[in-house]
Amino acid sequence: QVQLVESGGGVVQPGGSLRLSCAASGFTFSSYGMHWVRQAPGKGLEWVAFIRYDGRNKYYADSVKGRFTISRDNSKNTLYLHMNSLRAEDTSVYYCAKTTDMDVWGKGTTVTVSS
Amino acid sequence: QSALTQPRSVSGSPGQSVTISCTGTSSDVGGYNYVSWYQQHPGKAPKVMIYDVSKRPSGVPDRFSGSKSGNTASLTISGLQAEDEADYYCCSYAGTYTWVFGGGTKLTVL
Repeated sequence: QVQLVESGGGVVQPGGSLRLSCAASGFTFSSYGMHWVRQAPGKGLEWVAFIRYDGRNKYYADSVKGRFTISRDNSKNTLYLHMNSLRAEDTSVYYCAKTTDMDVWGKGTTVTVSS
Repeated sequence: QSALTQPRSVSGSPGQSVTISCTGTSSDVGGYNYVSWYQQHPGKAPKVMIYDVSKRPSGVPDRFSGSKSGNTASLTISGLQAEDEADYYCCSYAGTYTWVFGGGTKLTVL
C-alpha cells in the first residue's frame, strides 16, 4: 500500500541543523511532486515546501526560505528536508505528503529546537 | 502567504449537518479551483477529505461535500456521526507552486 515514513527528527539547539527524510513506498515516487508540512504544538498546519517530481524546481514558504532546502533522491524513493539556522519557532511535527493534493501523509517526525 | 480564515469551532448533534467556511483572497481560494480539506484526529496525521474544491477521494463518505463561491470555500458534513469529531483544515493553492492552510476548525459532535 502507499506509505510515507518520516525520520530524522530530534532535539537541536537554536542555530543548529537537521536533515529529515521521508521514505516512500507503494507508488511510483519519481512521478509525483512532494510536500513538507509542519504543525507546531497545539497549532495548525503550515505548508513548508514543495518539490516537483524530477527535483528540478523547489518552492518554499517565506518563513523558511533561505534556511531550509527540500530535495529528493528518486533512485532511493526518498524525500529530504535540510534545515539550517533553526529557531525555536521551527519546533513542530514535520509531515511529508504526496502530490499537489496531499493525498497521502506520513505519520510525522518531531523536531524540537531548544537550548 | 497569510493563513486562510476558518471559524475556530463548530458543533452539531448526531444526524445534523454542519458547514465550515474557509475565506481567502483572489490570490488563493478565489483564483484557483484547488481547495482541499483535511480531517485530523488528535495525535494523528491529516487525511484528505475533499480536493479540487468538491472532489471526494475513494473511501470518503458522501456525507462530506465541498463547494466554493468567490473567495470562500466550504465543507459540509451531513448526517453527523461521532467519529466526525476532529479538527478540519482547508488548504488552497496560492500560485507558483505555493500553498496556504487555514487556521483549522474544531468540530464537536454534541
